[in-house]
Amino acid sequence: QVQLQESGPGLVKPSQTLSLTCTVSGGSISSGSYYWSWIRQPAGKGLEWIGRIYTSGSTNYNPSLKSRVTISVDTSKNQFSLKLSSVTAADTAVYYCARRGGGYCSGGSCYSRVWFDPWGQGTLVTVSS
Amino acid sequence: QSALTQPASVSGSPGQSITISCTGTSSDVGGYNYVSWYQQHPGKAPKLMIYDVSNRPSGVSNRFSGSKSGNTASLTISGLQAEDEADYYCSSYTSSSTDVVFGGGTKLTVL
Repeated sequence: QVQLQESGPGLVKPSQTLSLTCTVSGGSISSGSYYWSWIRQPAGKGLEWIGRIYTSGSTNYNPSLKSRVTISVDTSKNQFSLKLSSVTAADTAVYYCARRGGGYCSGGSCYSRVWFDPWGQGTLVTVSS
Repeated sequence: QSALTQPASVSGSPGQSITISCTGTSSDVGGYNYVSWYQQHPGKAPKLMIYDVSNRPSGVSNRFSGSKSGNTASLTISGLQAEDEADYYCSSYTSSSTDVVFGGGTKLTVL
């Protein structure tokens, strides 16, 4: 079964760039129709969708973060990555990577698979000087 | 402020049933059958419990069920067990540019 694992620095200074990588195991990141996603959760708060990258490489970002976010994929390493620039204390959170299904068509109708499964275990990133 | 509205907390005794609501708009919950629910224990990653409003992934107990009426989706847990104590989040596809929106989460306490 597919498993995801986040990695990256746990401490980032204000105004710098947060960089995280999600390694996919148990399956190829290129196979199937999936969106590889990043979601974050500040301590004691809810979940916030950051963005996603499709198997083809196309991306979509949360408009509230779009100017600062870049998601990329490295199929040779079976990884996808998140970069968030100009971070502030408000970006302190647990960051999760997760897989979301893509669309499919059946019987003349098309559908989306809008759920996240599996998730990585999450990694805490603290923004502080 | 989250796009989907959930009660901050609910509680129930072992064996009882509880329902958690998730209210959105016609642009998300009401417009699509793409509501999912996640269970999150402290310090753990969210776990998918329900997708497409009422479908359970393999391995999820049939004590968990989902439904939707208008702009409000609901998660019902029957036969409450101590292990069900956790935070629960709803999520929905949205026609806005964010693609997916989450609820603010509901803390379930098993008394």
